[in-house]
Amino acid sequence: DAGVTQSPTHLIKTRGQQVTLRCSPKSGHDTVSWYQQALGQGPQFIFQYYEEEERQRGNFPDRFSGHQFPNYSSELNVNALLLGDSALYLCASSRGQGAPGELFFGEGSRLTVL
Amino acid sequence: GEDVEQSLFLSVREGDSSVINCTYTDSSSTYLYWYKQEPGAGLQLLTYIFSNMDMKQDQRLTVLLNKKDKHLSLRIADTQTGDSAIYFCAVPYSGGGADGLTFGKGTHLIIQP
Repeated sequence: DAGVTQSPTHLIKTRGQQVTLRCSPKSGHDTVSWYQQALGQGPQFIFQYYEEEERQRGNFPDRFSGHQFPNYSSELNVNALLLGDSALYLCASSRGQGAPGELFFGEGSRLTVL
Repeated sequence: GEDVEQSLFLSVREGDSSVINCTYTDSSSTYLYWYKQEPGAGLQLLTYIFSNMDMKQDQRLTVLLNKKDKHLSLRIADTQTGDSAIYFCAVPYSGGGADGLTFGKGTHLIIQP
């Protein structure tokens, strides 16, 4: 049973560019959340998708957008990249009707913005 | 918004108990969580406690909740080298339900031989 998979694992972009990160949830999961983890910090909630809709959003600007596909996989898009967007981006999946807060995390996509 | 505070480092000797502490601001949090992150890996849910409980025990792990003081702790009995990791306290982002989570900055648990 594959867990949460994310791609790419590492990428380097320059300021002003756009990036797309991808996530496949754990089998049987229908809810995907995205988190940003800066170096030395805890993960910060970006948004959550359920039934292809953004269900909840954290305190992130509109440059951060997402999408969920019918197969429950998800993308995170960041436009007009800033140096401060350099971080580990974590995807977490869960079952909409499952145990509370039981998020299964991928290993993340490390984004470096130069 | 919700604020979750943890001390950044804890050093213990192998075989001793580790106690990791956390304070939070939103008293309406229904569930409170402990996650573990090992080097180069994603986060893993260790345990959680419902807000109407004072204590939950799961093998070597004991979670204590003091709702009055908004204080949560995680005790690891007989700490082993494999317990070396970053431990995150987390509460629901919106203060209720089970959607997004607000995490603390994490406590680095260092095990001395």
